[in-house]
Amino acid sequence: SQKIEQNSEALNIQEGKTATLTCNYTNYSPAYLQWYRQDPGRGPVFLLLIRENEKEKRKERLKVTFDTTLKQSLFHITASQPADSATYLCALDTYGGSQGNLIFGKGTKLSVKP
Amino acid sequence: GAVVSQHPSRVICKSGTSVKIECRSLDFQATTMFWYRQFPKQSLMLMATSNEGSKATYEQGVEKDKFLINHASLTLSTLTVTSAHPEDSSFYICSAHGLAGDWSTDTQYFGPGTRLTVL
Repeated sequence: SQKIEQNSEALNIQEGKTATLTCNYTNYSPAYLQWYRQDPGRGPVFLLLIRENEKEKRKERLKVTFDTTLKQSLFHITASQPADSATYLCALDTYGGSQGNLIFGKGTKLSVKP
Repeated sequence: GAVVSQHPSRVICKSGTSVKIECRSLDFQATTMFWYRQFPKQSLMLMATSNEGSKATYEQGVEKDKFLINHASLTLSTLTVTSAHPEDSSFYICSAHGLAGDWSTDTQYFGPGTRLTVL
């Protein structure tokens, strides 16, 4: 069955450092992969989408890489701030991109200490 | 940006009662809406896909007679948890997608979620 894993349940870093979160998947070749931010008691907020033919995508302090050979995506937050503290979810499409169904990882809870 | 609302944000009910949760796309027409459930420290689990004017498609293991979904208009979908039991207590989240066709160029917009507690 399709499986998506976010290696760290929690990640603690110091303000100003780069946070790197990992998402691995098995038994599937997604057409795209997405990263979301979720704050406690709230719905996820979309951050970035990267397609299977893209290696890297950036948005302000965020960077996502997608290695379809390793079946892995890395999510980086540079110059991290306490306001970046949240749970970050990766999600990948099912059905080869022909529908919008997503499967989500459990998330990594990031804590940025001042 | 696209905004999706959910109502109510929290609901507490007695076992055996039914609860209706509304999901609205406020500034766009949503051809497809998704309903998810999230237990503490768990990932979002897709329950069903709802297309306007047609029957919802349920994921394996989700009882369609227990979780009734109605997508009567392009801006509103409802989820009714019938005869709720304590094990149905969870965080229910909807999402809406307004773009028909290329899923890889657009994303889902999520509502803020509804916390259901069944006593």
